Amino acid sequence: EADIYQTPRYLVIGTGKKITLECSQTMGHDKMYWYQQDPGMELHLIHYSYGVNSTEKGDLSSESTVSRIRTEHFPLTLESARPSHTSQYLCASTGTSGGVGTDTQYFGPGTRLTVL
Amino acid sequence: GDSVTQMEGPVTLSEEAFLTINCTYTATGYPSLFWYVQYPGEGLQLLLKATKADDKGSNKGFEATYRKETTSFHLEKGSVQVSDSAVYFCALSDRGNQGGKLIFGQGTELSVKP
Repeated sequence: EADIYQTPRYLVIGTGKKITLECSQTMGHDKMYWYQQDPGMELHLIHYSYGVNSTEKGDLSSESTVSRIRTEHFPLTLESARPSHTSQYLCASTGTSGGVGTDTQYFGPGTRLTVL
Repeated sequence: GDSVTQMEGPVTLSEEAFLTINCTYTATGYPSLFWYVQYPGEGLQLLLKATKADDKGSNKGFEATYRKETTSFHLEKGSVQVSDSAVYFCALSDRGNQGGKLIFGQGTELSVKP
């Protein structure tokens, strides 16, 4: 059973506000990821981290930023929210098992963000 | 680059019908293959996986066989239930990918009617 948590689950906020979406995992996983999910369901990788103090941009450009100060925590921040940021944000993590590249990602329940 | 293509949805079936969701992939290495399921309002859950050619992954009545010759990993279930209604994602992880990143298909929505 995966232990990865996201808060808040739902957030409705006005344009221009700063927000932080929280993601925590208790599995000691070194790699963590943030995805943005379209209303049409497709998943886009926006950030990932290989470990503490490591952050990389994903395949889809995003105005959000992330940090990785502790292994278990990978928050995502939007400095100034806009309606175009309205989406579902999913956090995931994975740890090495059975060799390089054969990792299973475990997902949190997601945060549904609406920017008015 | 590596990619995953799934059949388009939505797929609508009656309860107890046979399900197939097609998935094909393109990869330069020897990927591991996954099926994830997303129920309404939730995150993704791993449904099954296969790590090498001819492996069959199975879970909760769902099965998928890693076919290297046809670069496919089709998801099947013999008798679907209303509770199987969800979005299904096919994904691959290249063994050479040290970042552990997954490449997802676009998702296939399944709706099962009583």
